[in-house]
Amino acid sequence: ELKVEQNPLFLSMQEGKNYTIYCNYSTTSDRLYWYRQDPGKSLESLFVLLSNGAVKQEGRLMASLDTKARLSTLHITAAVHDLSATYFCAGSEDTDKLIFGTGTRLQVFP
Amino acid sequence: DTEVTQTPKHLVMGMTNKKSLKCEQHMGHRAMYWYKQKAKKPPELMFVYSYEKLSINESVPSRFSPECPNSSLLNLHLHALQPEDSALYLCASSPRWTYEQYFGPGTRLTVT
Repeated sequence: ELKVEQNPLFLSMQEGKNYTIYCNYSTTSDRLYWYRQDPGKSLESLFVLLSNGAVKQEGRLMASLDTKARLSTLHITAAVHDLSATYFCAGSEDTDKLIFGTGTRLQVFP
Repeated sequence: DTEVTQTPKHLVMGMTNKKSLKCEQHMGHRAMYWYKQKAKKPPELMFVYSYEKLSINESVPSRFSPECPNSSLLNLHLHALQPEDSALYLCASSPRWTYEQYFGPGTRLTVT
């Protein structure tokens, strides 16, 4: 059974700094997802990573996937307050079944 | 139309009530999902409908009953719920070929 772990669980970072969120998964996952969730809101899809070595970037966020290490990272460059949210990674056991990590709550302060 | 809609936004119900949650999408997606999310926890998959057929039931108690009347609509019928069922219920849909799941805004359910 697929298990997905994220760290850190909580991240407080200063504006302008860089940081990385790590997502480890236990068994083969067909693909790896990253979602953002603002408090009391729904999930917004950020990235879907389909193959080993995949790298995707959108604004200050960059996600990568290493299937051999069973590791995905979400790198934040020059953080701004608007990035404050909870970030989830998720693996998939089959086409439809997503298994979410515990989430990383990110707070960006001035 | 590029979104998943859910109604109601909020629902308070007693343990003896029967209510339904509704989810709708008009993007032609052929897979639809129900998730449950407790506060400060990740979403947990409950049900998956693929081409209007139930394909995954994650051992959800029978007091939750899903229904997919057509390819655009997904319902979740609730009956005799417990206070621990209070949560945010999220619906999602997927065109499958992109593997992305698009989430609706959710229904915040409180069982008293």
